[in-house]
Amino acid sequence: SAVISQKPSRDICQRGTSLTIQCQVDSQVTMMFWYRQQPGQSLTLIATANQGSEATYESGFVIDKFPISRPNLTFSTLTVSNMSPEDSSIYLCSVDASPLYNEQFFGPGTRLTVL
Amino acid sequence: AQKVTQAQTEISVVEKEDVTLDCVYETRDTTYYLFWYKQPPSGELVFLIRRNSFDEQNEISGRYSWNFQKSTSSFNFTITASQVVDSAVYFCALSEAGNDMRFGAGTRLTVKP
Repeated sequence: SAVISQKPSRDICQRGTSLTIQCQVDSQVTMMFWYRQQPGQSLTLIATANQGSEATYESGFVIDKFPISRPNLTFSTLTVSNMSPEDSSIYLCSVDASPLYNEQFFGPGTRLTVL
Repeated sequence: AQKVTQAQTEISVVEKEDVTLDCVYETRDTTYYLFWYKQPPSGELVFLIRRNSFDEQNEISGRYSWNFQKSTSSFNFTITASQVVDSAVYFCALSEAGNDMRFGAGTRLTVKP
């Protein structure tokens, strides 16, 4: 199975600052995804991170606010820019390891609180 | 556009009861994947099952079973003889062509002793 780690696991940040979240996978994967889970809510896809090309953002999410890097097949970063309290959420990295594995793997998440 | 509906926001049962969590989906693709995840209070997402659109066989894994019916676009999840440790939020999700997943709103299951 694919093992995913995320750094930091949690952080408390001040309004107006930026935070970069790292996602590391223990195997090469083609597609990586970033999700947001606001308090008490479901998961919402932010963007798909493709290696060698720009990320594809979902409606309501823009690159200026959530820039993403994907320098290789095992690593990606998501930056939450110019944060406000509304950005307080859990941010999760996910990979699709199919067809080798019959599941979609999620990282442990980064719990972000913006004051 | 793909969509997942979990109409049950919260369910509360007493231990040893059976409980079914409903999931209805919408998609225009003929190839798609359905998932169930468990999110216990600790917050991590625990994978339970992935089923592709060409496999309508029901599946049983211990106390868990899944009923996939394309005719009604449903992929329901049943826990038999529920236990307190089953208390969690359960998410149903849909992925078209095995790419990004769309999640339902989740069902919070509380199992009381």
